[in-house]
Order: sequence, then structure tokens, then C-alpha cells
Amino acid sequence: GDSVTQMEGPVTLSEEAFLTINCTYTATGYPSLFWYVQYPGEGLQLLLKATKADDKGSNKGFEATYRKETTSFHLEKGSVQVSDSAVYFCALRTGANNLFFGTGTRLTVIP
Amino acid sequence: EAGVTQFPSHSVIEKGQTVTLRCDPISGHDNLYWYRRVMGKEIKFLLHFVKESKQDESGMPNNRFLAERTGGTYSTLKVQPAELEDSGVYFCASSLQGAQGTGELFFGEGSRLTVL
Repeated sequence: GDSVTQMEGPVTLSEEAFLTINCTYTATGYPSLFWYVQYPGEGLQLLLKATKADDKGSNKGFEATYRKETTSFHLEKGSVQVSDSAVYFCALRTGANNLFFGTGTRLTVIP
Repeated sequence: EAGVTQFPSHSVIEKGQTVTLRCDPISGHDNLYWYRRVMGKEIKFLLHFVKESKQDESGMPNNRFLAERTGGTYSTLKVQPAELEDSGVYFCASSLQGAQGTGELFFGEGSRLTVL
């Protein structure tokens, strides 16, 4: 069945450090891939998405490239800020509306 | 415009009791979803409404869970009787477009349920 495997956290980085959160997926068909973020005290928000192979999603300095050959969608940011501290969820969606999420990775950025 | 709102934000009950969670979707969104995250694990799909009809309830864990969406507006998720393993965060989401579209899902803050 469809599933997402996400790098387990927590991850603690210093401000301006480089961030990578790994995400790989298993899916039948051709999924769309997503990164959601949950900031403290808020709901899940869509951070970025990619709907086909080789697409790059980007938002707020974050990027992720849909790699079909490695079934991956790793999240990267070149220079994290304290305000990026949150829980990040990788997710996929195939034909139906159902989203399959990873376990989430808690990121803490310290000044 | 108001987002997806959920109530209560946190509920603490004893095993065997009943809890009802409520979700108000974004106005005009026909699609409403329930998800839950248990014990820091992945967020799992529970069910999907299109207006007042259950489109997909394949993720509902057992018959102790009952979801309704009367009139196609707000939805409730009742757990009766609650068990320890039901503890977790219950998320609601809504979207404008359905399966044939690429409608973004807008999530609420979640309702945290603690069963003692």
C-alpha cells in the first residue's frame, strides 16, 4: 500500500545552518507529494508540493524535488531561522483525496 | 475568512466515557476530512465527507467511532466508549475541490484527546 517514510527527529540546528529532512515514499500509480508544517499552537499548513517527477516545490526558502528514480522528496533549506521551528510532515496523495503522512519531524532552531 | 476550526482543543476523559469532537470547515468547502495522530506516529486518514455523505470511511478504526455531518456544514466525531488507545490528536481538514481536482486541504489546529 501507499506509505511515506520520514526521517525521525527531533532535529536541533543552530540558526543559519543547512537543513535536510529526508522523505521516501511507496506508492502505486503516480502520487502528488507534499510537505506540511505545523507551527506551535497552529494547524497543519501546506508548505510546498510537487505533482510530477522532477518538479521542484518551493516556499519560504524551503525546497523539495520529486525524484521518481529514488522515490524521494527530501526537504531542504539553506539557512534556517528560529521561526522555522515546527513539526514537518511529508505526505503523498494518489488518485483519491486521501493523504498519507509520515510520522513528522520536529525541528528546533536555536539562536 | 475564518479557517477550519475545531472544538475542543483538548479533552481529558476516563476510559469508558464518551467524547464528541466538532469541526467547522471553511465556508463553502464541500469536502471535509478527519485524520488522527496517535502517540507521535504518522497522521492517519479516518474518513471523508462530501457535503453530508460519507465518501470514504475506510480509515475508521472500529464501531466505537461515529462521524456525522448533518446538513453538510459542521461535522462531529463521537468516540463511545473511549479506550486508552484512542488518545491522540484529531485533525479536521476541508477542501473546495474533490478527488478529480487538486484542491488543497486546509487543516484545523487539531483536538487533543487524552483518555485516562
